[in-house]
Amino acid sequence: AQSVTQPDIHITVSEGASLELRCNYSYGATPYLFWYVQSPGQGLQLLLKYFSGDTLVQGIKGFEAEFKRSQSSFNLRKPSVHWSDAAEYFCAVGLRRNDMRFGAGTRLTVKP
Amino acid sequence: NAGVTQTPKFQVLKTGQSMTLQCAQDMNHNSMYWYRQDPGMGLRLIYYSASEGTTDKGEVPNGYNVSRLNKREFSLRLESAAPSQTSVYFCASSGDFYNEQFFGPGTRLTVL
Repeated sequence: AQSVTQPDIHITVSEGASLELRCNYSYGATPYLFWYVQSPGQGLQLLLKYFSGDTLVQGIKGFEAEFKRSQSSFNLRKPSVHWSDAAEYFCAVGLRRNDMRFGAGTRLTVKP
Repeated sequence: NAGVTQTPKFQVLKTGQSMTLQCAQDMNHNSMYWYRQDPGMGLRLIYYSASEGTTDKGEVPNGYNVSRLNKREFSLRLESAAPSQTSVYFCASSGDFYNEQFFGPGTRLTVL
């Protein structure tokens, strides 16, 4: 069965430090891959997505993600974190409308 | 352009009561979705509608019904609420599956 794993429940980084959030998936084929961000009390907003082609994907707010087929991973990165990046981040995968799977989320805290 | 709107924002029900969560989008999207979000579990798809007049079950449909009233509106009904349905419910819409999903602000439901 398809599944998505975000191994880190909570990450704390200092403002200005780099960030990497991990996402691993189990799927029968290469699915569509997404990263969403959720600020407190808000809905989710798409950061970036990968379907095919270049395995390094650029998104909004300075985020990027790298797809590694051999590792079934789609990790999210940012070179320098800002205090406004504090939020919860969700990885999602799927091939069809009815099989979208979201990870449990990683909560990011940014220290001043 | 309001995007995706949901009503109500908060609701408290007693076990066995019924209620309908309303969702509307003004982006002329074909697809609409209902998710529930529970701590540590990410988002799980309840039902989705690929187009006006069609609805299909997602990962956790038991205890719920949906209606795609027209292209704009997609409602979620709890016929006999149970404490296990205490959750935050999100509605989303997209042009096509592989496109960005736009999320509403959510409805926080408590069933006592």
